[in-house]
This record gives sequence, C-alpha cells and structure tokens, in this order.
Amino acid sequence: DGGITQSPKYLFRKEGQNVTLSCEQNLNHDAMYWYRQDPGQGLRLIYYSQIVNDFQKGDIAEGYSVSREKKESFPLTVTSAQKNPTAFYLCASSIRDSDNQPQHFGDGTRLSIL
Amino acid sequence: DAKTTQPPSMDCAEGRAANLPCNHSTISGNEYVYWYRQIHSQGPQYIIHGLKNNETNEMASLIITEDRKSSTLILPHATLRDTAVYYCIVRAFMDTGRRALTFGSGTRLQVQP
Repeated sequence: DGGITQSPKYLFRKEGQNVTLSCEQNLNHDAMYWYRQDPGQGLRLIYYSQIVNDFQKGDIAEGYSVSREKKESFPLTVTSAQKNPTAFYLCASSIRDSDNQPQHFGDGTRLSIL
Repeated sequence: DAKTTQPPSMDCAEGRAANLPCNHSTISGNEYVYWYRQIHSQGPQYIIHGLKNNETNEMASLIITEDRKSSTLILPHATLRDTAVYYCIVRAFMDTGRRALTFGSGTRLQVQP
C-alpha cells in the first residue's frame, strides 16, 4: 500500500543528545514537510522540501536539521540546540508544493525527554 | 489564511449522514477549502478539498455555498470509525507565503451506535 511511514512511533531523548526521526514515502511525491504538534495546539511547520536535494526553513526551524538526498526520504534531526523538543512530530508529503495539492500525513513520532 | 468557525462538537447516529458545517466568511477568491480529520494520537487524514464547485470522493462530499462564505462536509453513511476531530481549513499559501496548514479547534464528531 502506498503511504507515508514514520519511525519510530515513540522516541526518548536524553539531554544534550541529537535524535533523528525517519520519514519515508512511496507515493512518488515531490514535496515533503515536517510539522510539530503540541498538546491542544495546531501544527507548526519546521522544514519543507519542494524537490529532492532542496529544502527550506519553515516557521520554527531553529534546533532542527533535515536532508533530502532521496525523493522518498526526508529525515528530521532534533539537535541538542532545540530546548523544548517534547512534542508530536508529523511528516507529510504532496504531489507538489501547491495550494491545490493536499498534504498527506504519516502517523507521527512522539518524542519525549528523559 | 482566512479564519474558520466550526461547532465544537456534534453527534451522529451510525448509518446516518453526518453534516459538518464550517463558516469562512472572510475567504478570498483564491483560497481553497480543505477538510482533514484527526483521530487521537494519529496523523491528520486528508478528506477532500475544493475551490468553488461542490466536490465528491470516496470518503465524503463537500458543499460550498455560492458566495463561498461557508461549506459543509457530508459523510453519507457515518460509521463508528468516523469518530474524530474534523478540521476545516482555508488556504492560499502561494499568496501569503504561509505554507503550514492552520488547524483551528475543529469539530469533535461522535458517531453513536
């Protein structure tokens, strides 16, 4: 089945540690996105990529990094510089980065600080 | 993106149609209306979107009023698995530069057996 796979579902990070969240899609979509969702709040855009080998900062990129070396993969690294990393992280993709193309989401990774 | 207003909660009997309203009176001519839903601890699920015309897909129908100031999402035969929070979003990031999907409070739909 085509879709977006995020792993792991739950992740724990120690203080000062970098962690990488995986996002893979087999939908042949050009655009991919990373969002953060905090309890009772909406989505905030961290990074997005319109095409392979290119990515742009979203609204809250500080403390995060990404890469887009393959069309199907868009991993997110939460660095130790991110002071409040506990959140629900969502990856999404769309055929292309456009108003008229829906974004399809994975089931998320819940990151917690030990 | 234009602001949307939705009722906080609705109930629907299983097998009946669920009609979820959304008010977006400040929508501009190039903003699309999107509907997503989210079940607790899962990622949002895309349902349907439209600009001016009514739309239908395998999940739902979207009815947009002629003045585009409101819309209704219709789930024709609700099942227990349709219990979720439903979000109506209006979006035109190409003009505003705001790519993030702006989820409001949504409508919590409870399908009753």
